[in-house]
Amino acid sequence: QSVLTQPPSVSGAPGQRVTISCTGSSSNIGAGYDVHWYQQLPGTAPKLLIYGNSNRPSGVPDRFSGSKSGTSASLAITGLQAEDEADYYCQSYDSSSWVFGGGTKLTVL
Amino acid sequence: EVQLVESGGGSVQPGRSLRLSCAASGFTFDDYAMHWVRQAPGKGLEWVSGISWDSGSIGYVDSVKGRFTISRDNAKNSLYLQMNSLRTEDTALYYCAKDATPGGLGELSNWGQGNQVTVSS
Repeated sequence: QSVLTQPPSVSGAPGQRVTISCTGSSSNIGAGYDVHWYQQLPGTAPKLLIYGNSNRPSGVPDRFSGSKSGTSASLAITGLQAEDEADYYCQSYDSSSWVFGGGTKLTVL
Repeated sequence: EVQLVESGGGSVQPGRSLRLSCAASGFTFDDYAMHWVRQAPGKGLEWVSGISWDSGSIGYVDSVKGRFTISRDNAKNSLYLQMNSLRTEDTALYYCAKDATPGGLGELSNWGQGNQVTVSS
């Protein structure tokens, strides 16, 4: 059971918009700690996608955006593309430990 | 270009030890905290341990406390994870990851390709 809760799977057709939620508590996201998002393409290492709740590293398309409110955070992907099919993880800080969400598998229909 | 290359993994019996290494290049190693993150087969990511730039701040996930020891050698641009009393549940792909900050509270900006550790009798 992960400290941060994500839906196991989401799906969308090419061109559509999808969102992935990350629900925490008052000891992690709600305590003001930043949320970061990672994308893991099949068979590869994770890659930083969003940092500090809503910032994109250089090279990440602006189709990806992040937000945070209260004890939750969200990752939005607009203009879905086939290459977005991957696992997505949120991460925050809780009780002297980094914690990850359980991961969400995005399927592009 | 940042490069993180893990080594030292393999197959061991329960109760034995392994030492993972991570060779870093392409950045000023002693300016950043470093972490180990693992991923069991078919499962999600789990943070294992982190160490600040000067080794002054170290943390572990509860399940490895007392068994694993993280360390770094800034002169050799290397990160280590000594894993003792290994259990079958430690079987995973272990990633070395660079923190974006010196203290260890930043995002994991770069990741290695991972090193497999298999614990089985």
